[in-house]
Amino acid sequence: AQSVTQLGSHVSVSEGALVLLRCNYSSSVPPYLFWYVQYPNQGLQLLLKYTSAATLVKGINGFEAEFKKSETSFHLTKPSAHMSDAAEYFCAVSHNNNDMRFGAGTRLTVKP
Amino acid sequence: EAGVAQSPRYKIIEKRQSVAFWCNPISGHATLYWYQQILGQGPKLLIQFQNNGVVDDSQLPKDRFSAERLKGVDSTLKIQPAKLEDSAVYLCASSLVRGQRGGRKDTQYFGPGTRLTVL
Repeated sequence: AQSVTQLGSHVSVSEGALVLLRCNYSSSVPPYLFWYVQYPNQGLQLLLKYTSAATLVKGINGFEAEFKKSETSFHLTKPSAHMSDAAEYFCAVSHNNNDMRFGAGTRLTVKP
Repeated sequence: EAGVAQSPRYKIIEKRQSVAFWCNPISGHATLYWYQQILGQGPKLLIQFQNNGVVDDSQLPKDRFSAERLKGVDSTLKIQPAKLEDSAVYLCASSLVRGQRGGRKDTQYFGPGTRLTVL
């Protein structure tokens, strides 16, 4: 069975600071990995995905994530936080787009 | 292209009542998913359809939850009777084809969700 663990249910950064949201996965087969963002009262929007191509994946809004097999990690980063990045972020793992499993989420707060 | 549509956006009912949610996926998307997102948790898959057939309903509480996708397009999810613990956001998502690698086929697109409150 596959699963993800998001370390830290809440992360707070200052505007302009580095954003680092942590995700570790468990999968018995090569995984597909995703990061989604959810703004209040909205559905999930795909930020980026890893599907066994380049290990450094660039997404929308300046976010990127690096797949590290040795560490079973897929951490999400952004060099400079913006106020509009405040939202809930979910890491997810699936096998070939079936049976997607989401982490519990990390709420990002950006302080002015 | 139009996104995944869901209605209603909000619903408040009393326990033991029935409720139904509707989802219209992105045009041409063969696979449709229903998720339950309890406050403070990530979405949990309830049921997955491929066209009008059920692919996975292992996490659907079948004693009270039911879902259908009769014509392989839109779908309804029903709860009868509702319990307090059913309070959650119900998300619908769709993707082009189940089990395909590469490109947009791997991506699930989510609707805005229906927030259910059971009193």
